[in-house]
Amino acid sequence: EDQVTQSPEALRLQEGESSSLNCSYTVSGLRGLFWYRQDPGKGPEFLFTLYSAGEEKEKERLKATLTKKESFLHITAPKPEDSATYLCAVGAGNNRKLIWGLGTSLAVNP
Amino acid sequence: DAGVIQSPRHEVTEMGQEVTLRCKPISGHNSLFWYRQTMMRGLELLIYFNNNVPIDDSGMPEDRFSAKMPNASFSTLKIQPSEPRDSAVYFCASSSTSGWVDTQYFGPGTRLTVL
Repeated sequence: EDQVTQSPEALRLQEGESSSLNCSYTVSGLRGLFWYRQDPGKGPEFLFTLYSAGEEKEKERLKATLTKKESFLHITAPKPEDSATYLCAVGAGNNRKLIWGLGTSLAVNP
Repeated sequence: DAGVIQSPRHEVTEMGQEVTLRCKPISGHNSLFWYRQTMMRGLELLIYFNNNVPIDDSGMPEDRFSAKMPNASFSTLKIQPSEPRDSAVYFCASSSTSGWVDTQYFGPGTRLTVL
């Protein structure tokens, strides 16, 4: 069964303390892996799409990487405004559905 | 450019009442997705449309839920009758099926509370 698992469920960092969030997946026929950010009371906001193992993408303090089994979202020198829930989703097979993880809730303390 | 628009943003109703949620996708997008989000289950896909046609409704919980897309710029999700367990945030997302994999763009959501 296709599955996406995110860890940790929650993470608390001090401002400037770099860390990584993990998204592991078991799917047949990966078409793409997505990272979204969700702020309280808002819809998920698209960050990155990764298509194949070895691919990396960066945006400000965020860097996403992909292997054949998992993806990491590296946060370098985070700021309080990076506090949010980060969601991972995978597109697989021959349909347009995404398989979603439950997210990692990140809190960055000043 | 306007993103996905949803209305209402908040809905409080009593058990047994009919609830209608509305969505306007991004102009030019031809796929539309309805999701439900709860703390316990995260984001669950209810149904998705491609070119106004329902493609997969396997996530619709039961016959009390129905969705329509009468044209490319409007969709509704209806719950009748509503029950307390339907309380959740409902999101609409749209995408353009122009490539190998689509990026979905989400609306702000409708927070539904059924008393």
